[in-house]
Amino acid sequence: AQSVSQHNHHVILSEAASLELGCNYSYGGTVNLFWYVQYPGQHLQLLLKYFSGDPLVKGIKGFEAEFIKSKFSFNLRKPSVQWSDTAEYFCAVILLEAGNMLTFGGGTRLMVKP
Amino acid sequence: AAGVIQSPRHLIKEKRETATLKCYPIPRHDTVYWYQQGPGQDPQFLISFYEKMQSDKGSIPDRFSAQQFSDYHSELNMSSLELGDSALYFCASSLSGTRSTDTQYFGPGTRLTVL
Repeated sequence: AQSVSQHNHHVILSEAASLELGCNYSYGGTVNLFWYVQYPGQHLQLLLKYFSGDPLVKGIKGFEAEFIKSKFSFNLRKPSVQWSDTAEYFCAVILLEAGNMLTFGGGTRLMVKP
Repeated sequence: AAGVIQSPRHLIKEKRETATLKCYPIPRHDTVYWYQQGPGQDPQFLISFYEKMQSDKGSIPDRFSAQQFSDYHSELNMSSLELGDSALYFCASSLSGTRSTDTQYFGPGTRLTVL
């Protein structure tokens, strides 16, 4: 079955540490890729997205992600996290042949210790 | 900037009752998506509408129905509620359902609790 996998369910980091959250998908077709963030008590917000072109995309708040087609991966990175980055992060995919619905990964809960 | 509005924000129902959730998209957005997020789970796509017509259908139970109205707001109707329907229901809107590159903007969600 087609799916989106996020490797880490819970991540705990200290402020200023570097962050990398893994995301893999199992679709064989053309995909659009997204990372959404959900801060405590808030709704999902778009961090960044990839459709085509440069596989390294930059988003808001210093986040970036790299699409590696050969590895079916779209990992999220941030060089130095802040306490305010504490949130749940969702990788999501649109499989172009299947419609415009998002298929989400299981989410990664990030806690940044001050 | 205007965001997606959902009402109510919280809803408590008994088993076998019905519930109606409402979603008001961002102005000029013509496409609405509904997602269900169970406790500790990722959001699952239910159904979407573009220009008042059903666009895509996901894992929406037969007990649920939805529609989009002429002002583009959408309602999700849930009947014969079960305990397992307790979840956070998100609505998202986008500028055009025909373009997969359009960002889906999410509302705050309606938390439904079925007792």
